[in-house]
Amino acid sequence: AQKVTQAQTEISVVEKEDVTLDCVYETRDTTYYLFWYKQPPSGELVFLIRRNSFDEQNEISGRYSWNFQKSTSSFNFTITASQVVDSAVYFCALSEPNRDDKIIFGKGTRLHILP
Amino acid sequence: KAGVTQTPRYLIKTRGQQVTLSCSPISGHRSVSWYQQTPGQGLQFLFEYFSETQRNKGNFPGRFSGRQFSNSRSEMNVSTLELGDSALYLCASRISYEQYFGPGTRLTVT
Repeated sequence: AQKVTQAQTEISVVEKEDVTLDCVYETRDTTYYLFWYKQPPSGELVFLIRRNSFDEQNEISGRYSWNFQKSTSSFNFTITASQVVDSAVYFCALSEPNRDDKIIFGKGTRLHILP
Repeated sequence: KAGVTQTPRYLIKTRGQQVTLSCSPISGHRSVSWYQQTPGQGLQFLFEYFSETQRNKGNFPGRFSGRQFSNSRSEMNVSTLELGDSALYLCASRISYEQYFGPGTRLTVT
């Protein structure tokens, strides 16, 4: 069965520090998609990235970077030089397009960036 | 392009009542999914509609139902409300594998 685990419930770091949010997934399929979403206090989920299972290249977008490792079934997210505006809940998610194609979310990691 | 819109944004209902929530997807998106978000259970998938047909369903009781119209707008209905139905209900529209969420409807059941 598909499952997403975000072991870190809550993290606090001081502004300008780097922080990594962990995501471990379980799937029986060879074809799947992984996602990260950000949920600021306003409540709306903001799409950050999608990665398919055949593309293990790491991605960098500004201060954000993602490390996809199939060998450890992990898709970790790093924020470099964190800012107060990065404070939010971050969700990792998984879908299996050849199965039911539902997008299943982890429980989320609440990130506090302290000024 | 306008984003996903949900109405109403906030709602207070009494136990036993029923409620209907509305979602308008991004123009051109034919898939609409609904999620329930609570502090204890996180984000849980309710159902997905595509071209007016339910394509996927989560593990929720039959009190939760939905539908989609020909213009892709979707509604979800919860009958016989229980206190535990208090939650943020999020709607998402999707094209390919990119899913975009609305601001949610916060339902409080008293």
